[in-house]
Amino acid sequence: DAGVIQSPRHEVTEMGQEVTLRCKPISGHDYLFWYRQTMMRGLELLIYFNNNVPIDDSGMPEDRFSAKMPNASFSTLKIQPSEPRDSAVYFCASSLDPLEETQYFGPGTRLLVL
Amino acid sequence: QQQVKQSPQSLIVQKGGISIINCAYENTAFDYFPWYQQFPGKGPALLIAIRPDVSEKKEGRFTISFNKSAKQFSLHIMDSQPGDSATYFCGVYNQGGKLIFGQGTELSVKP
Repeated sequence: DAGVIQSPRHEVTEMGQEVTLRCKPISGHDYLFWYRQTMMRGLELLIYFNNNVPIDDSGMPEDRFSAKMPNASFSTLKIQPSEPRDSAVYFCASSLDPLEETQYFGPGTRLLVL
Repeated sequence: QQQVKQSPQSLIVQKGGISIINCAYENTAFDYFPWYQQFPGKGPALLIAIRPDVSEKKEGRFTISFNKSAKQFSLHIMDSQPGDSATYFCGVYNQGGKLIFGQGTELSVKP
């Protein structure tokens, strides 16, 4: 398996623009997680899905952030409108069972909002 | 809100030395405590994990020591190598079943 795939790997955009991050989890994994990593706040869980259904989105910073999982092999995290404080590395991870199994992280998307 | 305190923030160790990173937590819902390793430009990857039916788990040069009564666990890297230079995160599951990470420890192993 190719592991968790994320795109784009790097994104530079201007404040106010819409940003869409994409993730393809490992085939067969039922759980998908979106994390954000910054120097100030470390690694934060934004939202996670189980069988394509959002289970906990309490980590989503505000209404500008939204995430979808239309099928088992694809998820998006959208920021609209983007702000400079959204600049971070966004990771997608997947697992069979997060309580029993490893979470496998993708390579991340490095987002810079100017 | 689950508090996970990881220390130190950064660590410099000579090649061949022992690296020790500590993690303390307040509460946990599930007895599974992982350590993740992250290299620059990469996503975190599971290094080693422990279930506290044992107080210690060893995998090669990496050992987790667990003290349930103190709510602390630590990662020991024996015979540290320059290739171990990375950021290490401990993880604790909160009451809602979410994995909460420590703030991370940046380890640098000098040749």
